[in-house]
Amino acid sequence: GENVEQHPSTLSVQEGDSAVIKCTYSDSASNYFPWYKQELGKRPQLIIDIRSNVGEKKDQRIAVTLNKTAKHFSLHITETQPEDSAVYFCAASRAGGFKTIFGAGTRLFVKA
Amino acid sequence: DAGVIQSPRHEVTEMGQEVTLRCKPISGHDYLFWYRQTMMRGLELLIYFNNNVPIDDSGMPEDRFSAKMPNASFSTLKIQPSEPRDSAVYFCASSFSGRGLAGELFFGEGSRLTVL
Repeated sequence: GENVEQHPSTLSVQEGDSAVIKCTYSDSASNYFPWYKQELGKRPQLIIDIRSNVGEKKDQRIAVTLNKTAKHFSLHITETQPEDSAVYFCAASRAGGFKTIFGAGTRLFVKA
Repeated sequence: DAGVIQSPRHEVTEMGQEVTLRCKPISGHDYLFWYRQTMMRGLELLIYFNNNVPIDDSGMPEDRFSAKMPNASFSTLKIQPSEPRDSAVYFCASSFSGRGLAGELFFGEGSRLTVL
């Protein structure tokens, strides 16, 4: 069945450093790869997404890269700030049906 | 739009009781998803609907769980009988497949269920 693996499960960085979270997916039919941020006690919210016809996308301090051949995609956060501390989830959605499967999540701590 | 609305926000019940969680998706969205979130298992997809029709319920844990979507603006997730291991946060999310492309999931605030 479909599966999305996410690493690391926990990441601690110093304020101003970069953070990288990596995901791999199993379903080769997946073509939409969103990233969600969930703050403590809140709902997950989309921060960036990428479709399979694009290799990289950037939005201010966050960027996502996609390697369809290797079936993996990554989230990059530069110049991290304490308010970036949260749980980040990657997800993969396939064409036709739009079933969205989430990775296990990465808890990011940004130390001031 | 008020976003995805879920009720109740918190539910505490005793083992064996029936639990019904409710969701109102964003108007115009054609996909509705039910997820369960626990520390151990993360965000699990239970079931999802397209235009009120269940598309995939392979994530529903067992026959104690059922979900319905009688119309475009309402869905329920029912657990009968409930067990302590059902304790979790249940999220409803909706999405719009504009131009046939998958899109952002808009989550409700979740229903935190505790089964004693």
